Amino acid sequence: NAGVTQTPKFQVLKTGQSMTLQCAQDMNHNSMYWYRQDPGMGLRLIYYSASEGTTDKGEVPNGYNVSRLNKREFSLRLESAAPSQTSVYFCASSKGGDRSYEQYFGPGTRLTVT
Amino acid sequence: GNSVTQMEGPVTLSEEAFLTINCTYTATGYPSLFWYVQYPGEGLQLLLKATKADDKGSNKGFEATYRKETTSFHLEKGSVQVSDSAVYFCAWDPGYALNFGKGTSLLVTP
Repeated sequence: NAGVTQTPKFQVLKTGQSMTLQCAQDMNHNSMYWYRQDPGMGLRLIYYSASEGTTDKGEVPNGYNVSRLNKREFSLRLESAAPSQTSVYFCASSKGGDRSYEQYFGPGTRLTVT
Repeated sequence: GNSVTQMEGPVTLSEEAFLTINCTYTATGYPSLFWYVQYPGEGLQLLLKATKADDKGSNKGFEATYRKETTSFHLEKGSVQVSDSAVYFCAWDPGYALNFGKGTSLLVTP
């Protein structure tokens, strides 16, 4: 039981390049989330998927797109990376509904955009 | 809108010292409140929760009481250990995800 896995662990991009961050969970959870963590800012929600087939914007969605590929996988895409997107990205999952608060986090992806 | 505010860190304590990390909330009504912990190099983990006013959450020697009269949810531990060194986040639940405070870094020295 791996929990929530994320790939890659580290990535360096040049401004304007694109990439997709991958996330998968093996807990049969309904809901999945993408957050970014910046110094002094805590974690901010980028997008979430309450259930398979649905996605919704969070607090900071600009510059990102997501795909809920199936119940297990939720990917985050940066179409044209900018230095302001340098951050640590965390994927999380939960059973959803009234258990949305109990989230399980992956180990994170550290992204640097130069 | 609703939010949580945490004391700024870093907090540095000696082993076996008493810990308090302050968290206050601004909310319409009484949302559920949580403490999450992030150990170095890892993602966040749920530490404890309180789903209604006057509830006390506890786990691993940590406690927090949801006090509606002071709109607070302070995290406490009677005797910290080096292994408690981490970043602690207060959070509330808007119903679909979590809204986190900015985090408080704790360093416990031997």
